[in-house]
Amino acid sequence: GQQVMQIPQYQHVQEGEDFTTYCNSSTTLSNIQWYKQRPGGHPVFLIQLVKSGEVKKQKRLTFQFGEAKKNSSLHITATQTTDVGTYFCAGSGTYKYIFGTGTRLKVLA
Amino acid sequence: EAQVTQNPRYLITVTGKKLTVTCSQNMNHEYMSWYRQDPGLGLRQIYYSMNVEVTDKGDVPEGYKVSRKEKRNFPLILESPSPNQTSLYFCASSLRAGKNIQYFGAGTRLSVL
Repeated sequence: GQQVMQIPQYQHVQEGEDFTTYCNSSTTLSNIQWYKQRPGGHPVFLIQLVKSGEVKKQKRLTFQFGEAKKNSSLHITATQTTDVGTYFCAGSGTYKYIFGTGTRLKVLA
Repeated sequence: EAQVTQNPRYLITVTGKKLTVTCSQNMNHEYMSWYRQDPGLGLRQIYYSMNVEVTDKGDVPEGYKVSRKEKRNFPLILESPSPNQTSLYFCASSLRAGKNIQYFGAGTRLSVL
């Protein structure tokens, strides 16, 4: 079945350093969504990418969707302690959502 | 306020004792879904519902049941819980399936002894 893998599983960075998480699907995705889950919280939607090669920015966050629509990345510039949490990508089929395994980010002040 | 409400937030039970986790949304969403979250495995979809009286299996449906008698409610039923169902459970809803934002409930932490 369809699988979505994320790397790395964990990342510790010093505050101010950059951070990137990568999402890879075994099949072509119609779209990809990114969610953030704060410690002890629930996933919260960040963004959706639909077009091949699409790049979107939200302040210090940059999201990319691969040309083949099988991979995606989230890059955070100059991390802050508020960026702490687990970041998930999710691909959707007609009815099902497949979430990646998540990347847990810790930011050391 | 638009929200997805799950109850209970925490539950400790024993093997074999039937339980129900309720989920309700007030956004008139057609699509609802249940996930379990386990360390290193991310979020895995248990069951989903495209609309009232329409449900289907996700990736890990064994040991779970759901129903969708009303648009706003989507309870998760564990007929005979086992320790391997100890997990963090999330209910989510979206306007429709596919290219729509999912809104998650606060989660239910279940321990089966």
